[in-house]
Amino acid sequence: EVQLVESGGGLVQPGGSLRLSCAASGFTFSSYDMHWVRQGTGKGLEWVSAIGTAGDTYYAGSVKGRFTISRENAKNSLYLQMNSLRAGDTAVYYCARRVEYCTTIGCDYGMDVWGQGTTVSVSS
Amino acid sequence: QSVLTQPPSASGTPGQRVTISCSGSSSNIGSNTVNWYQQLPGTAPKLLIYSNNQRPSGVPDRFSGSKSGTSASLAISGLQSEDEADYYCAAWDDSLNGLYVFGTGTKVTVL
Repeated sequence: EVQLVESGGGLVQPGGSLRLSCAASGFTFSSYDMHWVRQGTGKGLEWVSAIGTAGDTYYAGSVKGRFTISRENAKNSLYLQMNSLRAGDTAVYYCARRVEYCTTIGCDYGMDVWGQGTTVSVSS
Repeated sequence: QSVLTQPPSASGTPGQRVTISCSGSSSNIGSNTVNWYQQLPGTAPKLLIYSNNQRPSGVPDRFSGSKSGTSASLAISGLQSEDEADYYCAAWDDSLNGLYVFGTGTKVTVL
């Protein structure tokens, strides 16, 4: 079964750090770009970060310089190191797999597998 | 902060057709394809539409997508009670907004 399982969430004080993990199973993890998406309580989805199969990384402006995405293919794992946390970072954090849909014309993408989410609360 | 704008709510009775709009800009919808996601209460999002109008395997053909210029729309025909959920459009973005942007989300209520 294709599955993503997040862990590492919790309560942290403003200015603190937290490291989220996402364990992948049921597919060849190293072949997929991976993303982090978050959702504040009662709010919409917000894209946070992505890492390509070659290790190229991308960040939303709101987290750039504070968050670091990484992957360890040997362990089928994705990580999000979050530093200098703020109240506005409080959210459920999902990891998601980017899938390719390719035809003779070209390829399009979407996020087809999501974890159940891990909750991060930033409060004093 | 969401870059793509959706109406906050939409509703219909069972069997009706409901349409959700999504407005973006030249850097996202105007130059890239659109995805749609369905989020049932208390669950993770599910990919509903990719490449503007394509359904992944297993998604009912009641769901259809379209795109024109910098706007897109999702239609749900033959509305069913299990369609009550939040729906988000999304697109890859070529600007400094970030790699991928989501819409503000639309809550669909089945009356």
